Amino acid sequence: SQTIHQWPATLVQPVGSPLSLECTVEGTSNPNLYWYRQAAGRGLQLLFYSVGIGQISSEVPQNLSASRPQDRQFILSSKKLLLSDSGFYLCAWSRDSAGELFFGEGSRLTVL
Amino acid sequence: KQEVTQIPAALSVPEGENLVLNCSFTDSAIYNLQWFRQDPGKGLTSLLLIQSSQREQTSGRLNASLDKSSGRSTLYIAASQPGDSATYLCAVNTNAGKSTFGDGTTLTVKP
Repeated sequence: SQTIHQWPATLVQPVGSPLSLECTVEGTSNPNLYWYRQAAGRGLQLLFYSVGIGQISSEVPQNLSASRPQDRQFILSSKKLLLSDSGFYLCAWSRDSAGELFFGEGSRLTVL
Repeated sequence: KQEVTQIPAALSVPEGENLVLNCSFTDSAIYNLQWFRQDPGKGLTSLLLIQSSQREQTSGRLNASLDKSSGRSTLYIAASQPGDSATYLCAVNTNAGKSTFGDGTTLTVKP
């Protein structure tokens, strides 16, 4: 069976510090991978998606970047965090562009 | 640009009641529509996926319908239980896997 792991679960960082959130999928190959952000009490906003190694599409201009160094690994990064980067970040995967979305447990980022 | 609306934003019902959650979308050219459950502070759990060629899907006490022409989907929950209390989100996939989410309906089922 397929599983998705995301870490860290909780992160408190000062403004201006770097960020690295990691996500890995097990039990499948060449998945589509996604990073979403959820504001409090709201739906999800797609930040990045990837259909293969090294292939990253950005949906929203922002202070964040994403990378896919391996087939089942997706990393969300920032060189210098802003207060507005605080939020709940969720990684997801699907088998293809019309497939079911499966989410990780999320990472709550607080920037102080 | 796809827009997804969920009504009501919050719903409180007594245990045992049947209920319907609504999701509407503006662009009917969709790949699929998916319903999720989210518990506080947690990730999303997939409940039902309806492909664009399908009218409905069922899983246990849950039944989801899709009407592309009117841009609507409903999630029917039969015989609600306190454990059903959560936020329910619908997501519409209209562009190669990039889904648009509604803001969710927060359901409280009172014992």
